Amino acid sequence: QLQLQESGPGLVKASETLSLTCIVSGGSISSSRYYWGWIRQPPGKGLEWIGSIYYGGSTYYNPSLRSRVTMSVDTSKNQFSLDLSSVTASDTAVYYCARQERATVITTGTGRLNWFDPWGQGTLVTVSS
Amino acid sequence: QSALPQPASVSGSPGQSITISCTGTNSDVGGYNYVSWYQQHPGKAPKLLIYDVTNRPSGVSNRFSGSKSGNTASLTISGLQAEDEADYYCSSYTTGIYVVFGEGTKLTVL
Repeated sequence: QLQLQESGPGLVKASETLSLTCIVSGGSISSSRYYWGWIRQPPGKGLEWIGSIYYGGSTYYNPSLRSRVTMSVDTSKNQFSLDLSSVTASDTAVYYCARQERATVITTGTGRLNWFDPWGQGTLVTVSS
Repeated sequence: QSALPQPASVSGSPGQSITISCTGTNSDVGGYNYVSWYQQHPGKAPKLLIYDVTNRPSGVSNRFSGSKSGNTASLTISGLQAEDEADYYCSSYTTGIYVVFGEGTKLTVL
């Protein structure tokens, strides 16, 4: 049974870089069927997709965060990571990692980012001034 | 792109059915069959309920069903139970942006 676990500091200073890692267990991150994504949820608010990465290293970012987001994957450690730079108080949120289905377009073979399952338990990151 | 509009709240009595809508455009909900729904209880991670508009993952009750008409996707919960009280989010693939979530709907079981 696949499990994901987020790890990283729970407190980050404003203007610094938030760094999180998602450790995948019970399955290989090197699957052609899936992407690996980050989603966040500010306290009391809704879900926001941050970005997704393929095991080969291709990345897809939310345009609203693209200038500050970097994702990477380490297949040898079966984990992937998120860096969010120049954080402000508005980046305070619970950050989730999740496996994301790669829906293949039959006619072209290209992949599309689809549903998320399973999710990690989430980790609260607070940005302090 | 902003979150997909959903009703902020819905309510129903045990045993009743409710429907939550998720309104998009032909660049997301209406243009692709990549709509999914998630259930989130307080303090917990979201759980996948419906994928590809109408499909239920193994282990999800058949009281949950999904559909789509034009640019609007819907989640219907039949035979409401107290345990269904939670927040519900839709999500869709969207041209250029890739993934967008709905605003979320709080379901209250009266």
